[in-house]
Amino acid sequence: GESVGLHLPTLSVQEGDNSIINCAYSNSASDYFIWYKQESGKGPQFIIDIRSNMDKRQGQRVTVLLNKTVKHLSLQIAATQPGDSAVYFCAVPRPPYNQGGKLIFGQGTELSVKP
Amino acid sequence: EAGVTQSPTHLIKTRGQQATLRCSPISGHTSVYWYQQALGLGLQFLLWYDEGEERNRGNFPPRFSGRQFPNYSSELNVNALELEDSALYLCASSLDSWLGTEAFFGQGTRLTVV
Repeated sequence: GESVGLHLPTLSVQEGDNSIINCAYSNSASDYFIWYKQESGKGPQFIIDIRSNMDKRQGQRVTVLLNKTVKHLSLQIAATQPGDSAVYFCAVPRPPYNQGGKLIFGQGTELSVKP
Repeated sequence: EAGVTQSPTHLIKTRGQQATLRCSPISGHTSVYWYQQALGLGLQFLLWYDEGEERNRGNFPPRFSGRQFPNYSSELNVNALELEDSALYLCASSLDSWLGTEAFFGQGTRLTVV
């Protein structure tokens, strides 16, 4: 069945360094991908999304890269700050899309930023 | 503009009891989704409501149920509570049925079953 997996459950980086969080998905038909950030005690917050007709999309300090050949996407955070400390989830809608709601989440990577 | 709001924030129940969790979507959003986030696990899809009807449900037993009211707010009911139901229950809303648009999550209800 459909699965979404993150490569590392935890990631520790120094403040100011760049962070890279990876995610793999199983369904080659997936064409939309979302990254969420969940801070302690809060609900997931949308960060950035990307569609399969793109390889790269940039936001403010964040970049998502999509490699459809190997079914892999990554979230890059530039100049990581203490406020970036959170759990990061990649999520993929499960087709058929007209069923909605079935957003498949990865297990999450906990990012810790050391001052 | 108010975001997705959930109540209560925390809920403690004993095994066998029933729990009712509530969610108010962002104004104008008609779709409401419920997710369970158990400790150490990712978000597991529970239910999707749109325009007052249940459109889809995840792999959960029938004792997990809910409804959506005419004002699009939603309620999740969990009957015959079991210890493993202890989790953070998250509600999200979106303008359409998540065909590629942003979904907004609430803060969640932490349910503890003792």
